Amino acid sequence: NAGVMQNPRHLVRRRGQEARLRCSPMKGHSHVYWYRQLPEEGLKFMVYLQKENIIDESGMPKERFSAEFPKEGPSILRIQQVVRGDSAAYFCASSPPSRPNVLTFGAGSRLTVL
Amino acid sequence: GQQLNQSPQSMFIQEGEDVSMNCTSSSIFNTWLWYKQEPGEGPVLLIALYKAGELTSNGRLTAQFGITRKDSFLNISASIPSDVGIYFCAGQLTDGGSQGNLIFGKGTKLSVKP
Repeated sequence: NAGVMQNPRHLVRRRGQEARLRCSPMKGHSHVYWYRQLPEEGLKFMVYLQKENIIDESGMPKERFSAEFPKEGPSILRIQQVVRGDSAAYFCASSPPSRPNVLTFGAGSRLTVL
Repeated sequence: GQQLNQSPQSMFIQEGEDVSMNCTSSSIFNTWLWYKQEPGEGPVLLIALYKAGELTSNGRLTAQFGITRKDSFLNISASIPSDVGIYFCAGQLTDGGSQGNLIFGKGTKLSVKP
């Protein structure tokens, strides 16, 4: 029973490029969340999605960041025109309908912007 | 934004010692979760708490949901070297955000000397 799968694990981009991070939730989980973690910090909520719907994007920066969870395929977190301050670990989590607050996290995608 | 105050920030202990860490807030939470994160990995759920006063154990770990719903503690008994890592508390506010929109503490970094 695979856990939450994220790829790539590491991504290096130059300023101005685009970053795409992918996440496949655990089998049976229909809720997907994205969090960001800066060095020496806790995780910060970004967005909550269900299939084809953004439920809560209150933690998403207003510009350059977008997320989707299509009917088929993984959830995608997309960062356009990356800047150095976007360097962080991005974690995806999923939860089952019965326990929506109990999040299982993936291993994360570490973005470095040069 | 809302904050969880997690303490201590770090602990250096001898193998076999007991450990205690806690989180407090000025806000009321309806769920408390404790996670452990190791370098390069995502947080792994240790214990989930749902009711005020709830005391739950998972092996050598014990956590409690405070009666006031504004705090929680985690105890580790008879620590071993593999307990090393960063422990995070996380909670969901009763009046803020959607399910899965968790507030994380800044973590307690635990080091165990054999």
